[in-house]
Amino acid sequence: EVQLVQSGAEVKKPGESLKISCKISGYSFTSYWIGWVRQMPGKGLEWMGIIYPGNSDIRYSPSFQGQVTISVDKSISTAYLQWSSLKASDTAMYYCARTHVEMATSFFDFWGQGTLVTASS
Amino acid sequence: DVVMTQIPLSLSVTPGQPASISCKSSQSLLHSSGKTSLYWYLQKPGQSPQLLIYEVSSRFSGVPDRFSGSGSGTDFTLKISRVEAEDVGVYFCMQGRHLPLTFGGGTKVEIK
Repeated sequence: EVQLVQSGAEVKKPGESLKISCKISGYSFTSYWIGWVRQMPGKGLEWMGIIYPGNSDIRYSPSFQGQVTISVDKSISTAYLQWSSLKASDTAMYYCARTHVEMATSFFDFWGQGTLVTASS
Repeated sequence: DVVMTQIPLSLSVTPGQPASISCKSSQSLLHSSGKTSLYWYLQKPGQSPQLLIYEVSSRFSGVPDRFSGSGSGTDFTLKISRVEAEDVGVYFCMQGRHLPLTFGGGTKVEIK
């Protein structure tokens, strides 16, 4: 069974750093891309970026380039999303999702349960 | 970026009645391979999004056959033949043809 299990909710102050995780099981970690999607409170879905665990190739959305860092640790089949300095506007639910990337298309099939990040003073 | 526009924003449906959601993209989602990169997701209350339809009209594993997708190029439609209580939530279309991947704003479906 494909599973993406994300780390728990976080409450941080603006300016603090944060790293959230997404633990994969049920398939070969290095065979599929992993994507991150943001959902701000009461809003829609925004694609942040994707990473290929096989070689750590990363594609960022221009909206998130330089704002976050996506990484993986192959030894523990885990993907990460991190901030060096959170802003209040980073308050949102963040989802990881298994991502198919082909010549003609990219899409998400299985999703994690989400990690709620709250950045508030 | 490809803009995805969904209509309507919300829908209130009597159980057993059909429902239809439109999604339009600002650019063609057809690739020279013949594949059209349009996907539908459902986010049930308090849950993560789940894939319903891939490549316009193919149902994902476990998705009931009351869900169907159609369309081509830039115009797409999701239909629910007979809405059930478990179908409530927000439906999103997504284009996978061009980076950045982009989603429609969502259509909230509720039961009357």
